[in-house]
Amino acid sequence: QQPVQSPQAVILREGEDAVINCSSSKALYSVHWYRQKHGEAPIFLMILLKGGEQKGHDKISASFNEKKQQSSLYLTASQLSYSGTYFCGTHSQGSNYKLTFGKGTLLTVNP
Amino acid sequence: DTGVSQNPRHKITKRGQNVTFRCDPISEHNRLYWYRQTLGQGPEFLTYFQNEAQLEKSRLLSDRFSAERPKGSFSTLEIQRTEQGDSAMYLCASRENRILSTDTQYFGPGTRLTVL
Repeated sequence: QQPVQSPQAVILREGEDAVINCSSSKALYSVHWYRQKHGEAPIFLMILLKGGEQKGHDKISASFNEKKQQSSLYLTASQLSYSGTYFCGTHSQGSNYKLTFGKGTLLTVNP
Repeated sequence: DTGVSQNPRHKITKRGQNVTFRCDPISEHNRLYWYRQTLGQGPEFLTYFQNEAQLEKSRLLSDRFSAERPKGSFSTLEIQRTEQGDSAMYLCASRENRILSTDTQYFGPGTRLTVL
């Protein structure tokens, strides 16, 4: 089943923060976050493993709540380059490591 | 290593024609995936190869679709008798051959198919 992402879209001014959520009804091994700009390939951001691990990458961090099967992506002090569509991809047991993606969250950062 | 490459980048065809796409994964990545992405949606899994073996196919992959990875390196995805509903971005991704959840999939730039 496809994970549910929220919000569907968000508009920020440069320097503002945003949170993108990803929720699944299935037990997950890991959650993978990607950013995709129009017409381009999805670019890997980070992986979250079950165990409630929180990871960070520059001003982008994420958490994974195993009990709730939810992950959140945190973008702080947003930059213009953060604009794009953010997808969470979930990996469940026995899935040959294939990812099931949400519908995405369109993030627009304006000057 | 320049990452996953896909050719062609764009393909326009008439309904009923056959098309073939190619994916070259990152060197030594034994696992290869095909996804399809339509406007406003996330990528949807189509099929998975480990080396030359096709180990999983989605129900989305009708009998008009066939994928191969003959030597365990590049892969091809063929669509026969294309339909307008096949119009989409076809993405290829590769992954290292380790059984670790921490290994990521790296995506190619995709092939955008337009069926007229």
